[in-house]
Amino acid sequence: GESVGLHLPTLSVQEGDNSIINCAYSNSASDYFIWYKQESGKGPQFIIDIRSNMDKRQGQRVTVLLNKTVKHLSLQIAATQPGDSAVYFCAETYGGATNKLIFGTGTLLAVQP
Amino acid sequence: GAVVSQHPSRVICKSGTSVKIECRSLDFQATTMFWYRQFPKQSLMLMATSNEGSKATYEQGVEKDKFLINHASLTLSTLTVTSAHPEDSSFYICSARVSSGWGHGEQFFGPGTRLTVL
Repeated sequence: GESVGLHLPTLSVQEGDNSIINCAYSNSASDYFIWYKQESGKGPQFIIDIRSNMDKRQGQRVTVLLNKTVKHLSLQIAATQPGDSAVYFCAETYGGATNKLIFGTGTLLAVQP
Repeated sequence: GAVVSQHPSRVICKSGTSVKIECRSLDFQATTMFWYRQFPKQSLMLMATSNEGSKATYEQGVEKDKFLINHASLTLSTLTVTSAHPEDSSFYICSARVSSGWGHGEQFFGPGTRLTVL
């Protein structure tokens, strides 16, 4: 069936370093991708999104890269801070009546001071 | 920004009882709301899609008679876990999609409800 997977379940980085979180998706029909941040005991928080007609999008300290050829998505966080520590999920969806989101397995980002 | 609330944030109940969880969009109208379940250290799994004024659409493997969903207004959807058992203990999260006709309609997530069934 359809799935969105991540290569690394846990990523540990030093404060100030850049972080890269990866995600592989399997549905070639997906045309919209979102990265969410989830802190312990809270709901997902939108970080950044990208549509399939783009290969890069930048936000504040974050960049999302999309490689449709290999169905790969990544989230880059610049100058990682302790407040960035959380679980990060990628999610995909495709045009349709319900626009259901399919979530990846998640990556725990641990920022060491 | 768009805010989604859930109530209660945490509930503990005895096995066999029913529990109702509310999801509200506070500052926007949502034709569609989604209910997710998340077990510890796992991802969010979509349970059902709730459309205002119509029956919910359940994902494969989700028992509609056990997880009753009502979407009576454009700002409120409820999930009732009937005859709860310990295996229903989980983190339940709702999301609401703005009824603006956006192509994909960004989903705004609630803070979640922690259900513990004893």
